[in-house]
Formats: sequence, C-alpha cells, structure tokens
Amino acid sequence: GESVGLHLPTLSVQEGDNSIINCAYSNSASDYFIWYKQESGKGPQFIIDIRSNMDKRQGQRVTVLLNKTVKHLSLQIAATQPGDSAVYFCAENILRSGNTGKLIFGQGTTLQVKP
Amino acid sequence: SAVISQKPSRDICQRGTSLTIQCQVDSQVTMMFWYRQQPGQSLTLIATANQGSEATYESGFVIDKFPISRPNLTFSTLTVSNMSPEDSSIYLCSAKTLRNEQFFGPGTRLTVL
Repeated sequence: GESVGLHLPTLSVQEGDNSIINCAYSNSASDYFIWYKQESGKGPQFIIDIRSNMDKRQGQRVTVLLNKTVKHLSLQIAATQPGDSAVYFCAENILRSGNTGKLIFGQGTTLQVKP
Repeated sequence: SAVISQKPSRDICQRGTSLTIQCQVDSQVTMMFWYRQQPGQSLTLIATANQGSEATYESGFVIDKFPISRPNLTFSTLTVSNMSPEDSSIYLCSAKTLRNEQFFGPGTRLTVL
C-alpha cells in the first residue's frame, strides 16, 4: 500500500550532537523522496531530496541516505543547533499517469535540541 | 525556489458557511496541490489543481465539498463548502517547480464553530 512512516515520534538531542531521523516507506515504485522541516505555525520547508537511483546525497549540514533494499530513508543533521528544533517529515513521490506524481507524507518526528 | 502566499492566514467560521482560500506563487510552476493538516499530525493530499480543467481528487475528498480552481499557472483557490467543526484544520497550498522541487505555503488555519 501507500504509506510512509517514521520510526520515532520524538527525538531529543544535545546541542552540537548529530541527529538521525529515520523513515520507512512501502512503495518500491516511488522515484524520489523529500525531507521537510516544519516549524510551529509555518508550512513545511524543503530541506533535501534524493532520487531513487541514488543512495546518498549531502547538503549543508544534512545528509540523506536511501536504502532501497529495506525501503528505509534517513536524515542526518550534523552539529545540531537549537534552530533545528522542529517537526521533520519524510515524503515519498508516488508516480502517476502522465509522468506526474503526488507526495505522500510520513507521520513526522519532533526534534528537540537541548542547550 | 518558489515563494507561495495564502490568504487568509486564518479564519473562524460558522458551520454551514463556505470559505475560499487563495494561493499565489511568485514564479512559474508545473503543478499545484492542496493539503490538509490536522494540528499535530501529518499532511494529507486533498487534490491536484489542474490548470483549466477539473482538479484530481484523492480518495475521501470530493469536488462538491472542496471545489478547486486554477485559472492560470500560478494561482489557485480551494473552497471548503458547508463547513462543520470536523473541517477545522490547516489547509496548505503547494507547488512543484520546473526543477521538480515541491514547496509549501504558510497554510490557512481554519476553525469552524
């Protein structure tokens, strides 16, 4: 079926430590995945995406890993800062006819950064 | 990137009435979408807004309840019709750019009394 889920609802880390947020997906036909950050009262903010033909992609302080064998996605945040505190969603792009797609979202992980 | 604005940002409405939410994108986009997000929960896709034709609705959402328009490439509206308290939620507009990146607006927080 179409479902994307996150393993942990809340992750608490110390400022300066690295954070790892995990996500499991079920649709093996999806062509890419996106991580979003949502702060309170705001819309989701695009962080990084990865195509299904890749297994790793790096951005500024963030790395996304994709393991298609076990249908697992992770977001790693280096040197976590208080400003990283937010809810993080993974989203899976489900292909549809006409080469269009729709994003299916996971349930979200709340990242709490302790000073 | 694309900057997406929504109006209104929030509203409190009486049951049985309707509210139209507007979404404007500041750059050319390919696709536009409407999502709903209950407080503290994830996002659920309502429909894909198609330019010049009827929107494509997801399971559980119908045109009579959520009519959508997209008269041009960068503008769309979502109407929540005949509202009930169960429609209280955050409604988010989203758009996909030519680079296939999908961005979201700030959301419209709707409370139905």
